[in-house]
Amino acid sequence: AQTVTQSQPEMSVQEAETVTLSCTYDTSENNYYLFWYKQPPSRQMILVIRQEAYKQQNATENRFSVNFQKAAKSFSLKISDSQLGDTAMYFCAFTDDKIIFGKGTRLHILP
Amino acid sequence: DAGITQSPRHKVTETGTPVTLRCHQTENHRYMYWYRQDPGHGLRLIHYSYGVKDTDKGEVSDGYSVSRSKTEDFLLTLESATSSQTSVYFCAIKHGGSVNEQFFGPGTRLTVL
Repeated sequence: AQTVTQSQPEMSVQEAETVTLSCTYDTSENNYYLFWYKQPPSRQMILVIRQEAYKQQNATENRFSVNFQKAAKSFSLKISDSQLGDTAMYFCAFTDDKIIFGKGTRLHILP
Repeated sequence: DAGITQSPRHKVTETGTPVTLRCHQTENHRYMYWYRQDPGHGLRLIHYSYGVKDTDKGEVSDGYSVSRSKTEDFLLTLESATSSQTSVYFCAIKHGGSVNEQFFGPGTRLTVL
């Protein structure tokens, strides 16, 4: 069965620092997608970044980037120059058909 | 905004009563999903649909049923609500093609007393 593991239940960093959220997954598939979703206190699920498994190049979206290690089945999210608005729950997710979510990392950006 | 609405947004009900949650989309997506979100569990898939009248179970489907009689509507029914079904329920649609990402509705907070 496919699983997604986020080993950091909660993290805190100072504003403007860089933070990395960890995610590992388990699958026997070769073609799949990986995502990071953000859930702020408003509860809305917001797609932050996605990575196609067949692409070797790591995805980047402004201050958000990933470190995708396919052989290690690792998909970490790096947030550079963190901002107060980045405070949220972050979910790593895997999909080849249905999406499987990790349990989330609660990130606090401190002023 | 992927044109997804959920109704109601909040509901309080009593144990043993039936409850139906509605998900409505405006963009004619084929795939629709129902998740529940609970502390310590993240989002867990309840049921999903891959077309009109085509549905399948997710990992936590016990106590829930779904129906999809039109492309735009996906209904989640709790036949006899229990306190363990108190949760936040999210509907999602999947963009097809090469992207494969899901977009979520705003969520419904259900409390079963």
